Amino acid sequence: SQQGEEDPQALSIQEGENATMNCSYKTSINNLQWYRQNSGRGLVHLILIRSNEREKHSGRLRVTLDTSKKSSSLLITASRAADTASYFCATDRGSARQLTFGSGTQLTVLP
Amino acid sequence: DTEVTQTPKHLVMGMTNKKSLKCEQHMGHRAMYWYKQKAKKPPELMFVYSYEKLSINESVPSRFSPECPNSSLLNLHLHALQPEDSALYLCASSPGPLAYEQYFGPGTRLTVT
Repeated sequence: SQQGEEDPQALSIQEGENATMNCSYKTSINNLQWYRQNSGRGLVHLILIRSNEREKHSGRLRVTLDTSKKSSSLLITASRAADTASYFCATDRGSARQLTFGSGTQLTVLP
Repeated sequence: DTEVTQTPKHLVMGMTNKKSLKCEQHMGHRAMYWYKQKAKKPPELMFVYSYEKLSINESVPSRFSPECPNSSLLNLHLHALQPEDSALYLCASSPGPLAYEQYFGPGTRLTVT
């Protein structure tokens, strides 16, 4: 079952603009991760934010976490055509830290 | 080597066939995973192997049978599949069962006819 929902489901922007996608989850978490998936390919880990962190940066990525609202956002600044992909948030659960993915946001960056 | 490889890339099989998917990693990771992903949906966990032992089976039908022959290799044996089993099958690994970040392979696109 899906732990979280993401919005928007799809986002189309021009190259150079910023892209923001949001993730909401249902249960308490240890951390939250974001992954990127190019069309029909494997997922690539982007960033992890721990439950006691509010904001984290990695290159052009900025992630925020609000545990009181059970939500996270991923901001991609100065987007490029190569950023076109699906983006998933993921939370872990259980003894094997099983990942449960959100529904995903399909980002299209137009050149 | 920081890669997870999967073979074959594409597989078409009939409902009476038996086939296997293969996944390999040489990063020394001790946890390996199988996921199923339908079009426009997120990946869904199927199995978790920890130190070559099956630790999690997410109520997957018995027509899917995982196997971990050694710490680098993970197989998924398929038998008597249904057309609704057509999907992208992703393998992933992580340094250990308590590690967070997972490394994914490119997937096998399976079509059941």
